[in-house]
Amino acid sequence: QKEVEQDPGPLSVPEGAIVSLNCTYSNSAFQYFMWYRQYSRKGPELLMYTYSSGNKEDGRFTAQVDKSSKYISLFIRDSQPSDSATYLCALRGDTGRRALTFGSGTRLQVQP
Amino acid sequence: DAGITQSPRYKITETGRQVTLMCHQTWSHSYMFWYRQDLGHGLRLIYYSAAADITDKGEVPDGYVVSRSKTENFPLTLESATRSQTSVYFCASSDPGTDYGYTFGSGTRLTVV
Repeated sequence: QKEVEQDPGPLSVPEGAIVSLNCTYSNSAFQYFMWYRQYSRKGPELLMYTYSSGNKEDGRFTAQVDKSSKYISLFIRDSQPSDSATYLCALRGDTGRRALTFGSGTRLQVQP
Repeated sequence: DAGITQSPRYKITETGRQVTLMCHQTWSHSYMFWYRQDLGHGLRLIYYSAAADITDKGEVPDGYVVSRSKTENFPLTLESATRSQTSVYFCASSDPGTDYGYTFGSGTRLTVV
């Protein structure tokens, strides 16, 4: 079983829709939670980050962490065609190595 | 230019050949990482380095060798390339002074024939 599970999609939505992307994880030591966006043939770019449980909002993006359920979410409001990309969740613990553990990524397509 | 650069961007090599992928960063970040990205697996950690001359294995290290004699460079060598090593390879660096500051290169697309 993978430490981090993420639905690979593809997820296709019309422009303006609310998008929900999710990851589940099994390692309770994870404390830092990030979302990366990756456009085709590019490297991942940090989109959102949170520490421990709670919500964080930045413009059209909201990140949620529920540590009791080991479940993290990214919401995109008023989705745009430019949001079409692969979204990867990335997690790491508080101690030890700083390497990130990634989900497999969800490919999102926003139709104009 | 400031940033993290990988070379080459594309590489085709034959089975059994040795190939080295280069990674260079200009920030003097102490941490550097190598990941490979394959369909259905996301990014998997191959090796990482906490500082010059300090390296450690990640999730999928078999068949790879790394070195880090200088802080800014972290080359990845495939000692004897196999078709299963066909993948997109990403290098990343991180400043220990920030919890979320991971920056990725643009990747090297390697095909082993």
